[in-house]
Amino acid sequence: DAKTTQPNSMESNEEEPVHLPCNHSTISGTDYIHWYRQLPSQGPEYVIHGLTSNVNNRMASLAIAEDRKSSTLILHRATLRDAAVYYCILRDRLPMNRDDKIIFGKGTRLHILP
Amino acid sequence: NAGVTQTPKFQVLKTGQSMTLQCAQDMNHEYMSWYRQDPGMGLRLIHYSVGAGITDQGEVPNGYNVSRSTTEDFPLRLLSAAPSQTSVYFCASSYSRTRVYEQYFGPGTRLTVT
Repeated sequence: DAKTTQPNSMESNEEEPVHLPCNHSTISGTDYIHWYRQLPSQGPEYVIHGLTSNVNNRMASLAIAEDRKSSTLILHRATLRDAAVYYCILRDRLPMNRDDKIIFGKGTRLHILP
Repeated sequence: NAGVTQTPKFQVLKTGQSMTLQCAQDMNHEYMSWYRQDPGMGLRLIHYSVGAGITDQGEVPNGYNVSRSTTEDFPLRLLSAAPSQTSVYFCASSYSRTRVYEQYFGPGTRLTVT
């Protein structure tokens, strides 16, 4: 699976939107973009995923660049409970192109300021 | 559903001791995996299984054994504990290898090896 690059850490104020970037310049045409987050002292939880179009769910929105070389996870109104490590992961949607491993990087540690 | 459960929550071992970390899921998921997370680091994949009777190695398999005799259980065995294995261990499961992006994680086992 192709690699991703994320900032080590970010800060945001409570009740403001947060844009978490992820660069994936070597993404293939069949790679899905997945986001997980890990709250303090908990296991990671799935947040959202997408292929080409922007995606929304109850937790967040995923904005994917037109060339797919980058994406942004958007938290529309951050709360203190959103303080976590956010992981951006690529995964090929074609079984023939991938193995079955999910590899996490170091992610972005998001700090929310009250 | 209880989801993914892990026991014990905490464990202290002496160097050279062996033990088994338990992981169980009640969601009839085919895919299960084990990760370790060292302080300030991301998750690293130890072993995974795409179904009962099938296991494979992840990024850091040395010093660990797994087996998958049932769909529900995926125990992780430390053969001869070393201080380098001090870590938090997370077990995860997903419906199948084709939906491995949507993993559900357990609460973790915090292991200290002295």
